[in-house]
Amino acid sequence: GAVVSQHPSWVICKSGTSVKIECRSLDFQATTMFWYRQFPKQSLMLMATSNEGSKATYEQGVEKDKFLINHASLTLSTLTVTSAHPEDSSFYICSARSPDRSPLHFGNGTRLTVT
Amino acid sequence: KNEVEQSPQNLTAQEGEFITINCSYSVGISALHWLQQHPGGGIVSLFMLSSGKKKHGRLIATINIQEKHSSLHITASHPRDSAVYICAVRSRIDNDMRFGAGTRLTVKP
Repeated sequence: GAVVSQHPSWVICKSGTSVKIECRSLDFQATTMFWYRQFPKQSLMLMATSNEGSKATYEQGVEKDKFLINHASLTLSTLTVTSAHPEDSSFYICSARSPDRSPLHFGNGTRLTVT
Repeated sequence: KNEVEQSPQNLTAQEGEFITINCSYSVGISALHWLQQHPGGGIVSLFMLSSGKKKHGRLIATINIQEKHSSLHITASHPRDSAVYICAVRSRIDNDMRFGAGTRLTVKP
């Protein structure tokens, strides 16, 4: 079945540095990818929707200059957390959808800890 | 009031019991998803519904568009079903996803 690979699964970084998270669709072309964050014991919160070859659409309250999203190909989207701060520590998850509008496929998530 | 409400918030069951998790929403939708999040965080999409009923193994999902309500049923529950189940809808108006708070299910042996 379709698989979405997210990397890294966890990362610890120092405050002020940038972290890049990759989301790849392994056996299908994902025209749309979604990025979510999840704080402990809370539900998913959609951060942005990225369409291949165009600028990402950010949800209200999500800083686009802080959370840079690039969807350069049909199989890869990246989320870069720039100048990370401890409050950015969270669980980030991506999902991808193929053009036939089949169910979403999720990555396994990236646990980011900013010290 | 959240646009997607799930109940119950927490649910503990004995192995073998029939489980029902409910989801009510207030927006017009193009699709509703039931997601399962494992303790490690990984998420699996269980169902995508726009009408009627779907069944996969021991899992059944139903949706009533008129009543804006969906249910997820688990028959013959098992400890490995222990997870957080999340209801998510795609708004027909702005195409955005909206998520319920999740239902934490614990199935005891």
